[in-house]
Amino acid sequence: DAGVIQSPRHEVTEMGQEVTLRCKPISGHNSLFWYRQTMMRGLELLIYFNNNVPIDDSGMPEDRFSAKMPNASFSTLKIQPSEPRDSAVYFCASSLLGQGADTQYFGPGTRLTVL
Amino acid sequence: DAKTTQPTSMDCAEGRAANLPCNHSTISGNEYVYWYRQIHSQGPQYIIHGLKNNETNEMASLIITEDRKSSTLILPHATLRDTAVYYCIVRVHRAAGNKLTFGGGTRVLVKP
Repeated sequence: DAGVIQSPRHEVTEMGQEVTLRCKPISGHNSLFWYRQTMMRGLELLIYFNNNVPIDDSGMPEDRFSAKMPNASFSTLKIQPSEPRDSAVYFCASSLLGQGADTQYFGPGTRLTVL
Repeated sequence: DAKTTQPTSMDCAEGRAANLPCNHSTISGNEYVYWYRQIHSQGPQYIIHGLKNNETNEMASLIITEDRKSSTLILPHATLRDTAVYYCIVRVHRAAGNKLTFGGGTRVLVKP
């Protein structure tokens, strides 16, 4: 089992540029989550999908952030335009809702640096 | 979801048991207790969960008090690789997805 796959692992970009983070959930999982981690705010949920449908995006900081899940095996988190305060580690997680207490499995994260 | 309180940090000797406490005095009857950990530069990792009975798996044991207002995660034989931040999370299982709300966690340092 490959686990949750995220790409790229590291991204360095300049302010104003578009950034796209990618996530492949565990095969068969039906829920997908995007989290952000910073020293100041810790781990916080940005958005989550159930069966490819966005359920709660209340954690998305502002309109510059958008997330899509076109199919069950792929999701993207886009930041346009990026700002230095977006620098953080972004984690994707997936789970199988309906099985017990739906444990979430996290990917290795994408470390984003916006200069 | 119920709020949890954990010590900020604790040290543990390698080879000894590590007992990590968590208070969740406002827990509801249908809320589970989950434990995750995050090793430096990695994504959070699921450890164990329980509703009211004590649970054990290959990683740890979870002891939940009878009134369910607190719990203890036990790492039976701590190794250096168990150095991590440990998060206690209490949440309800929801049909439409179930987000995790992470607090500050307990930073555990296992020393040789």
